[in-house]
Amino acid sequence: SQTIHQWPATLVQPVGSPLSLECTVEGTSNPNLYWYRQAAGRGLQLLFYSVGIGQISSEVPQNLSASRPQDRQFILSSKKLLLSDSGFYLCAWSVGRGPMNNEQFFGPGTRLTVL
Amino acid sequence: GENVEQHPSTLSVQEGDSAVIKCTYSDSASNYFPWYKQELGKRPQLIIDIRSNVGEKKDQRIAVTLNKTAKHFSLHITETQPEDSAVYFCAARIYNFNKFYFGSGTKLNVKP
Repeated sequence: SQTIHQWPATLVQPVGSPLSLECTVEGTSNPNLYWYRQAAGRGLQLLFYSVGIGQISSEVPQNLSASRPQDRQFILSSKKLLLSDSGFYLCAWSVGRGPMNNEQFFGPGTRLTVL
Repeated sequence: GENVEQHPSTLSVQEGDSAVIKCTYSDSASNYFPWYKQELGKRPQLIIDIRSNVGEKKDQRIAVTLNKTAKHFSLHITETQPEDSAVYFCAARIYNFNKFYFGSGTKLNVKP
């Protein structure tokens, strides 16, 4: 069966420091991968999604970037964190393309606090 | 792009009563509509979904209905229990696209 991992689970970082969050998926090939951010008590904001290695679509202009160095690995990065980057970061995956793209499943999340 | 609106933002019901959460979407090309439940501090969990070729789907106490003409879909929870308390999100996916558009969430509180 498929599983999705995220690490770290929690992170406290000072303003201006770099960031690297990692997401990996097991048990499936060529997944679609997504990064979402959820501010406290708010909804899900799509940050990036990827349909293949090296293919990244950015949804919201900001100081974050994403990379997909391997088929089942998705990395979220920042060179300099802002206070507004605090939130719950969720990686998600789905399989299939176009009309065959159905269920989307979320990873356990990383809770980031920027001080 | 797609725009998904969700109502109400908060809903409080008595245990045993029914709860209904409604979502509307804007793009008639959307063809897949999942619902997620998110407990405090946890990840969203897929609880039920419906495709555009179906008008209703049930899974025990949970049901989802879809009205393609009016472009709205609803989540129905019957015989609510305290453990149903959570935030519920609806979403829509446009045919042939790989993005999911989420509603803003409904916080459901089931009072014992």
